[in-house]
Amino acid sequence: SQKIEQNSEALNIQEGKTATLTCNYTNYSPAYLQWYRQDPGRGPVFLLLIRENEKEKRKERLKVTFDTTLKQSLFHITASQPADSATYLCALSDTGRRALTFGSGTRLQVQP
Amino acid sequence: DTGVSQDPRHKITKRGQNVTFRCDPISEHNRLYWYRQTLGQGPEFLTYFQNEAQLEKSRLLSDRFSAERPKGSFSTLEIQRTEQGDSAMYLCASSLKQTQETQYFGPGTRLLVL
Repeated sequence: SQKIEQNSEALNIQEGKTATLTCNYTNYSPAYLQWYRQDPGRGPVFLLLIRENEKEKRKERLKVTFDTTLKQSLFHITASQPADSATYLCALSDTGRRALTFGSGTRLQVQP
Repeated sequence: DTGVSQDPRHKITKRGQNVTFRCDPISEHNRLYWYRQTLGQGPEFLTYFQNEAQLEKSRLLSDRFSAERPKGSFSTLEIQRTEQGDSAMYLCASSLKQTQETQYFGPGTRLLVL
């Protein structure tokens, strides 16, 4: 069966450190993978998209990697700040589909 | 604020009642999506429109659910004979055909069925 797995346990880190979140998937052949941020009671906000032929993508303090052999994406936030505290969702589209399938998200808590 | 608006933001209803939610996408976006999200889970796809045509529906979308996008602009999602299991956040998203992969989400409508 198809699965997208993110660490369900909250990740607690100290301000200034790098946060690394993992997204693993099985039985998908995605052309791209996306990461979204979601704050409590609000809709997800798009952060980054990485295509299957890209190994790495960066945007300011954010970095995403995509390994289609391992079927895994890693999402990094460098120099983390308390304002980065939120739930981070990975999402992908199966071949030929428009709808996104989301993981259950990982909650990040950055301690000052 | 992504520019996608949803109304109402909160709805409390009794089991068996019908409810209708509205979504106004970003004006130039021709694709519109509905998702449902329960606590601790990621959003689950319900249905998707390109302009006024409903092109895909999830198996999650039972006969009690219906969605429309009559003029290719705003959309409505109606749930008939609500059940307690329908309690969730209902999210709307829109995207531009040319940059179809990125979806912009609204704030959601939180439904509580008593």
